[in-house]
Amino acid sequence: AQSVTQPDIHITVSEGASLELRCNYSYGATPYLFWYVQSPGQGLQLLLKYFSGDTLVQGIKGFEAEFKRSQSSFNLRKPSVHWSDAAEYFCAVGAGYGGATNKLIFGTGTLLAVQP
Amino acid sequence: DAGITQSPRHKVTETGTPVTLRCHQTENHRYMYWYRQDPGHGLRLIHYSYGVKDTDKGEVSDGYSVSRSKTEDFLLTLESATSSQTSVYFCAISGREGARTPNVLTFGAGSRLTVL
Repeated sequence: AQSVTQPDIHITVSEGASLELRCNYSYGATPYLFWYVQSPGQGLQLLLKYFSGDTLVQGIKGFEAEFKRSQSSFNLRKPSVHWSDAAEYFCAVGAGYGGATNKLIFGTGTLLAVQP
Repeated sequence: DAGITQSPRHKVTETGTPVTLRCHQTENHRYMYWYRQDPGHGLRLIHYSYGVKDTDKGEVSDGYSVSRSKTEDFLLTLESATSSQTSVYFCAISGREGARTPNVLTFGAGSRLTVL
């Protein structure tokens, strides 16, 4: 069965520091991978996605993620964190698409706090 | 939020009462989903729909039923609410009719349900 692991429940970084959020997945076929962000009291917003091709993908708000098949990972990075990046971040794997098998499985999330 | 409306946004009810949450979309998307979000668990899929009258169970479907009688609406029903169903419920949509792209989900704003 598909699964997603986000090992870090809570991370605190200083404003201006770099950030890496970890994500490991389990899926038998070629995965479709996503990162979503959720600000307090809000719904989820798509940051970036990987379907195929270049393994380094760029997203909104200056985020990027790198797909590493050998490590079953899809880590999210940002070179310089801003206070507005404080939020909860969710990694997700797409379990197929089309027909009756079009769904996302989410990790448990990483809560990011940003110190001034 | 990309034409997704959830109602009600907040509801307090008592154990044993029936509850129905509604998700309405104006995007003509084929797929609709209900997730619940709980601390430490991330988002877990309850049920999803891959077309009118076509639904399937997710990972936490016990105690929930769904119906989709038209493209625009996806209803989630708790036949007899329990305190363990206190949660924030998110509806999501993906996949316009005729599209063949992997499952990028767009989320609604959420419905907070409290069962006393």
